[in-house]
Amino acid sequence: AQRVTQPEKLLSVFKGAPVELKCNYSYSGSPELFWYVQYSRQRLQLLLRHISRESIKGFTADLNKGETSFHLKKPFAQEEDSAMYYCALSAAGGGNKLTFGTGTQLKVEL
Amino acid sequence: GAVVSQHPSWVICKSGTSVKIECRSLDFQATTMFWYRQFPKQSLMLMATSNEGSKATYEQGVEKDKFLINHASLTLSTLTVTSAHPEDSSFYICSARNRVGQGSNEQYFGPGTRLTVT
Repeated sequence: AQRVTQPEKLLSVFKGAPVELKCNYSYSGSPELFWYVQYSRQRLQLLLRHISRESIKGFTADLNKGETSFHLKKPFAQEEDSAMYYCALSAAGGGNKLTFGTGTQLKVEL
Repeated sequence: GAVVSQHPSWVICKSGTSVKIECRSLDFQATTMFWYRQFPKQSLMLMATSNEGSKATYEQGVEKDKFLINHASLTLSTLTVTSAHPEDSSFYICSARNRVGQGSNEQYFGPGTRLTVT
C-alpha cells in the first residue's frame, strides 16, 4: 500500500524567505505525485504535478525517486502563499485514486 | 472550466435520519467521482470511488450499506448517509476526474459539505 508523509504540520516563514514543504512517499511502483493547495475558506485545488515539470505561482517540485521525495519549493515566499498544502500520490493502475498526506499549514509572516 | 459543485454546503440532521449529498460536475463529464471524508485538522480520507453506471468501490473499513453512493449520470454522483449518528459528523468532499483527460489523474474538487448530526 502507498503512503504519503508530510512531517511538518505547520511551517512559518517570513515574507521573502525561501520555502520548502517536505513530502515523502512509499510506493513500490511508479507513482504520479501532486501538490494540492487549500486557501482559507476555499476548495482544494491542484497546484502542480510532477509530470508537468512546471512552475506554478513560483512553486516547483521535483520527484526524487532515490529519496522517494517530492518536496515543494519556492525561493521567495509571499503573503498570499499562506494556505494548507497537501501532497498526494496516485498509484499506477490504482484507478486514479489519490492518497493524501496529512497536510502542512504554511504561514507567511510579514 | 472543470468546476465541481456540492449540495448542500452544510446540513444539520437528527440522529437516525438519512442525508443525501450531491456532487455535480458543471462543465465536464466525469465517469469517475470520488468521495472523501475530512475530520478537523486532518487529511482527506478516501471513502469510495463512484463509477458511472456501475457499483461504487469502497475503501477498506467504509460501510457500503451506511454510505450509499449512486452515480446515475456523467455529471452527478450522490452520497447518502443512512441512519446518521453523531460520529458521522464530518466534512464530506467529492472530486471528479474529467473523462476527456484520459492521460491525467487530475481530480477537481468540490467545496465540501459539512454534516452535523445531533
